[in-house]
Amino acid sequence: GDSVTQMEGPVTLSEEAFLTINCTYTATGYPSLFWYVQYPGEGLQLLLKATKADDKGSNKGFEATYRKETTSFHLEKGSVQVSDSAVYFCALGSAGAGSYQLTFGKGTKLSVIP
Amino acid sequence: DSGVTQTPKHLITATGQRVTLRCSPRSGDLSVYWYQQSLDQGLQFLIQYYNGEERAKGNILERFSAQQFPDLHSELNLSSLELGDSALYFCASSVGGSGTDTQYFGPGTRLTVL
Repeated sequence: GDSVTQMEGPVTLSEEAFLTINCTYTATGYPSLFWYVQYPGEGLQLLLKATKADDKGSNKGFEATYRKETTSFHLEKGSVQVSDSAVYFCALGSAGAGSYQLTFGKGTKLSVIP
Repeated sequence: DSGVTQTPKHLITATGQRVTLRCSPRSGDLSVYWYQQSLDQGLQFLIQYYNGEERAKGNILERFSAQQFPDLHSELNLSSLELGDSALYFCASSVGGSGTDTQYFGPGTRLTVL
């Protein structure tokens, strides 16, 4: 079945540091890939998405590229801020018959210190 | 604000009791999904409804049931509650019912079973 593996946290960075959170997936067919962010005490917010190979999703300075050859969708940001402290979830949405839900990774907690 | 609303925000109850969680999807969305988020299991898909009909079931216990009403709002019913049912319950909605559609999440209902 479908699965998502993302790097375990927690990750602690200083403000303005470079961020990478690794995400790899297993799926049949051509899934859509998503990054969601969960701020403390809140629900999940869509951060970015990509629907086909080589697509780059971007939002709020975050980027991720859909790499079919390496089955990866790593999240990057060039300069993190304290306000980026949150839990980040990589997710996969399959297009296969009978597959309608999102499959999530376990989440990576990011803490950014001033 | 995703446009998905959930009530109540918090719910505290005792073992053996029954509760109902409510979700209103974004305007125009036909699909509603329910997810459970717990510390040990992460984000788990429970069930999906599309335009009033059940479409997919995930790891939903027999003690749990859901429905989607003609106005497209949905309710998740949890009965014979156990301590292990304590979790955050999220509702999400999407325009269509495909796994590749973007799902927008509500703020969640935090259930505490004492």
